[in-house]
Amino acid sequence: EAGVTQFPSHSVIEKGQTVTLRCDPISGHDNLYWYRRVMGKEIKFLLHFVKESKQDESGMPNNRFLAERTGGTYSTLKVQPAELEDSGVYFCASSQDFWGQNTEAFFGQGTRLTVV
Amino acid sequence: DAKTTQPNSMESNEEEPVHLPCNHSTISGTDYIHWYRQLPSQGPEYVIHGLTSNVNNRMASLAIAEDRKSSTLILHRATLRDAAVYYCILNYGQNFVFGPGTRLSVLP
Repeated sequence: EAGVTQFPSHSVIEKGQTVTLRCDPISGHDNLYWYRRVMGKEIKFLLHFVKESKQDESGMPNNRFLAERTGGTYSTLKVQPAELEDSGVYFCASSQDFWGQNTEAFFGQGTRLTVV
Repeated sequence: DAKTTQPNSMESNEEEPVHLPCNHSTISGTDYIHWYRQLPSQGPEYVIHGLTSNVNNRMASLAIAEDRKSSTLILHRATLRDAAVYYCILNYGQNFVFGPGTRLSVLP
């Protein structure tokens, strides 16, 4: 069974440009999460999808970030325009049931975003 | 914000047991305690989780204090592949909050 897949694995873009990160969750997992770790900081929650609906987007830093999950399958996270402070590693995770109870979440390997 | 606290780093010799502690004094009655680890250049990986009773799986054991304000992840025989950052995390409200974790070094 394929795990959570993220791509690209690494992206280098200039400040002001747009970048789109993609996450393919484990098949059948309704719950999809985005987390990120910016330089020197802890891993922070960004948002949570249940199927195609945003269940919680309280961690999204500002309106330069837009997440979508059309059809409830893969998800994209777009940063437009990118700023230097957006550099970091973006993780996607998925779970069959809500990752808040007696279940585990599966993480992808992350996308390392570097804004120069 | 309620948080977990863990030592920044620990060191172990290969094939010896490792006890990784975590304090979570503000835990609520329904919060599960989860442990994940992050190997270099990888995403976080599930290790174990529990609610009240001690838990065992093929990777590790989780010992939960009776008052649930602390827990300990036990690796019974550390290997070089266990070198990673270990996170003790709880679900505060809707989302899991990662702390800085404990960086475990395993010496051959």
